[in-house]
Amino acid sequence: AQSVTQPDIHITVSEGASLELRCNYSYGATPYLFWYVQSPGQGLQLLLKYFSGDTLVQGIKGFEAEFKRSQSSFNLRKPSVHWSDAAEYFCAASGGYNKLIFGAGTRLAVHP
Amino acid sequence: DAGVIQSPRHEVTEMGQEVTLRCKPISGHDYLFWYRQTMMRGLELLIYFNNNVPIDDSGMPEDRFSAKMPNASFSTLKIQPSEPRDSAVYFCASSLSGSLPTDTQYFGPGTRLTVL
Repeated sequence: AQSVTQPDIHITVSEGASLELRCNYSYGATPYLFWYVQSPGQGLQLLLKYFSGDTLVQGIKGFEAEFKRSQSSFNLRKPSVHWSDAAEYFCAASGGYNKLIFGAGTRLAVHP
Repeated sequence: DAGVIQSPRHEVTEMGQEVTLRCKPISGHDYLFWYRQTMMRGLELLIYFNNNVPIDDSGMPEDRFSAKMPNASFSTLKIQPSEPRDSAVYFCASSLSGSLPTDTQYFGPGTRLTVL
């Protein structure tokens, strides 16, 4: 069955520290991959997506993600976290068309 | 554009009552999606429409749930009768063409439903 796994439910980092959020997928073929962010009381906003080409993808707000086929992973990174990055982050995958399958989410807390 | 608009933002009702959630997609978007977010099941797609026509409702949990899109600028998700296990955040999203990954789904702020 197709699935997306985010192993970390909750992560806390200090402001200015680097960040890596993990995402693994299970699909019959390489899916299209996405990262969304959900701030409190808000809908989901697309950070970045991967569908072909360069395996290192740049997104908004200083985020990047690296696709690793051998590990079935698409981890999200940011070199220096800001307090405003505190939110919930969702990894998602799609085999095409319109259906997105989401991971359970990782809640990020940022300490001053 | 104002983005995807959902109403109400919060809804508290009692078990057995009918609940109607509303969504206005971004103007010009041909695809509309309804998602449900719960602690147990995460974010799951319930149903989506293309040009006001339901395309895939395989995610609708049971017959108590129904969705309509009478025109390009309005959709409803109805639960009748509601049950406590329906408590969740319901998101509406819209996209221009529906073709992932080139297209993007834009999400509304969600409706937090509590069924007592």
